[in-house]
Amino acid sequence: DAKTTQPPSMDCAEGRAANLPCNHSTISGNEYVYWYRQIHSQGPQYIIHGLKNNETNEMASLIITEDRKSSTLILPHATLRDTAVYYCIVRVGRYNFNKFYFGSGTKLNVKP
Amino acid sequence: EPEVTQTPSHQVTQMGQEVILRCVPISNHLYFYWYRQILGQKVEFLVSFYNNEISEKSEIFDDQFSVERPDGSNFTLKIRSTKLEDSAMYFCASSEPGGVVEEKLFFGSGTQLSVL
Repeated sequence: DAKTTQPPSMDCAEGRAANLPCNHSTISGNEYVYWYRQIHSQGPQYIIHGLKNNETNEMASLIITEDRKSSTLILPHATLRDTAVYYCIVRVGRYNFNKFYFGSGTKLNVKP
Repeated sequence: EPEVTQTPSHQVTQMGQEVILRCVPISNHLYFYWYRQILGQKVEFLVSFYNNEISEKSEIFDDQFSVERPDGSNFTLKIRSTKLEDSAMYFCASSEPGGVVEEKLFFGSGTQLSVL
């Protein structure tokens, strides 16, 4: 089952940074943190992932605490199109199949 | 950008009928998956497939379900005798091999299955 805890919903003003927290206090040393999002009922869309270092790509930044028990996804300038459910997922190892466990996620509402 | 393609986007069937949901994974990917999402609920793992065999399946994936890669491009999910509770959005996904490049799962846009 899902090994992460996320707030059920968050609001963010358009143009501001959206900071989505995730707790994964039972994460193991070889488990990666992945973030996906789902807009309406579309297929989940990959955003970013990391192991222990902070990561940044064209979509977002991922900040992982030093003890790796929590992380924050940052959307630097949220737009209305970023309204979606955001899932934080931990995955075992690098070579295992991607049997991701999706939790309930955080519903991000970006408001004008 | 390459994408996972699913057909049809909507499928309506009568209870007890067989349905086949079709997927074309990204061409160089070797790992294939089916997930489903009942309306208002979580995305659930059904099955993973590699090297022409099932590598893992969930409790949901009972004898009524089967998967197949009939040729080099398609990946199908068959439900032999549909039940009302099979109504859901079914997502196909694929990933490239692990190793140096860490695996990312790419999802299709889904097939909405409605069992009447």
